[in-house]
Amino acid sequence: AQSVTQLGSHVSVSEGALVLLRCNYSSSVPPYLFWYVQYPNQGLQLLLKYTSAATLVKGINGFEAEFKKSETSFHLTKPSAHMRDAAEYFCAVSGNAGKSTFGDGTTLTVKP
Amino acid sequence: DTGVSQDPRHKITKRGQNVTFRCDPISEHNRLYWYRQTLGQGPEFLTYFQNEAQLEKSRLLSDRFSAERPKGSFSTLEIQRTEQGDSAMYLCASSLSESSTDTQYFGPGTRLTVL
Repeated sequence: AQSVTQLGSHVSVSEGALVLLRCNYSSSVPPYLFWYVQYPNQGLQLLLKYTSAATLVKGINGFEAEFKKSETSFHLTKPSAHMRDAAEYFCAVSGNAGKSTFGDGTTLTVKP
Repeated sequence: DTGVSQDPRHKITKRGQNVTFRCDPISEHNRLYWYRQTLGQGPEFLTYFQNEAQLEKSRLLSDRFSAERPKGSFSTLEIQRTEQGDSAMYLCASSLSESSTDTQYFGPGTRLTVL
């Protein structure tokens, strides 16, 4: 069994500020973890994924995430937010067979 | 590589009608997934195919739902006797292989509204 909890359904930051989106997971097998971004009326786009190699994963658009097994966390960060980062972000865990379990998402608002 | 496409993008139907959605995965992708996403929630797994074989169905997929991938390429998802609770975004994704680390590429989704 696997599950994902995203802490905070809405996060608001100022442009140029640090972005931190939180994700905790539960998995009965070694997890593979993903962050996706979804813009309005579009499908999901992969930002980055953890596949048991380096614990610090760099993705597209300046995002990165760190896998912490002891904390069962995979938080997403970006040093400096841009207006174009405003979107909904989903954390997901993949176990057997590749099917993914998603969190409920975090809506990121970036204020000018 | 044209990406995953889904048709239609929007569907409005009356309760009790049948609807069918189509998904065209990235060519040569063996895996195809269907997810359902309701407002304020993340996608929920419905079913997946390895080539033409349907390998798993979620408990969410009642007997009113059926999915096919007859030639291992495109897939269809049919909902019979639609209910208002079926209103959601239906997402299709494909991946190259069965590996859990493979990236799933998502289509734009089909938004279903049941009146």
